[in-house]
Amino acid sequence: QKEVEQDPGPLSVPEGAIVSLNCTYSNSAFQYFMWYRQYSRKGPELLMYTYSSGNKEDGRFTAQVDKSSKYISLFIRDSQPSDSATYLCAMTLNTGGFKTIFGAGTRLFVKA
Amino acid sequence: DTEVTQTPKHLVMGMTNKKSLKCEQHMGHRAMYWYKQKAKKPPELMFVYSYEKLSINESVPSRFSPECPNSSLLNLHLHALQPEDSALYLCASSQVVSSGAGDGYTFGSGTRLTVV
Repeated sequence: QKEVEQDPGPLSVPEGAIVSLNCTYSNSAFQYFMWYRQYSRKGPELLMYTYSSGNKEDGRFTAQVDKSSKYISLFIRDSQPSDSATYLCAMTLNTGGFKTIFGAGTRLFVKA
Repeated sequence: DTEVTQTPKHLVMGMTNKKSLKCEQHMGHRAMYWYKQKAKKPPELMFVYSYEKLSINESVPSRFSPECPNSSLLNLHLHALQPEDSALYLCASSQVVSSGAGDGYTFGSGTRLTVV
């Protein structure tokens, strides 16, 4: 079993739709959870960063962490064609180390 | 300056060549990373430097040799690579806190390496 599971998609939605992206994980020691957006042939860009369980909102983006279920989500409201990219979840242990584990990434296409 | 700058953007090298990838950041981050990313795959950690010292080597073959000359620069020296080493090589940096990851990574745009 992989430490972090993420459906690679692709996920295709119409413009204006609400997008839900999800990851599950197996190691309960993960404490820091991140979502990165990666456009083709570019490096990943940090979108959201959350610590432990709860919700965090930033504009059209909402990140949710449910540690009891080992499940994290990213919601995108009013999706735009410019949101078309690969979205990577990532998480880090709270052990003083620097190792971040990435999910496989979900490819999202928002159609105009 | 909130960027991580990587050079070159593209590199084609033969299996007997020696080349270097360079990474620079001026955000005061004291942790710097090299990642390797194959097409449609997540980034895979190669090396971590913390305060200019190598803290993690993910069992990377010795044909990859990292170097951190100062707190702003990170190099990756390449020698005798194989075609399967062709990939996007990403540099990242972060603050150093007890968790290690700080507020997440800032990635560069990467160097697309092709080994022929």
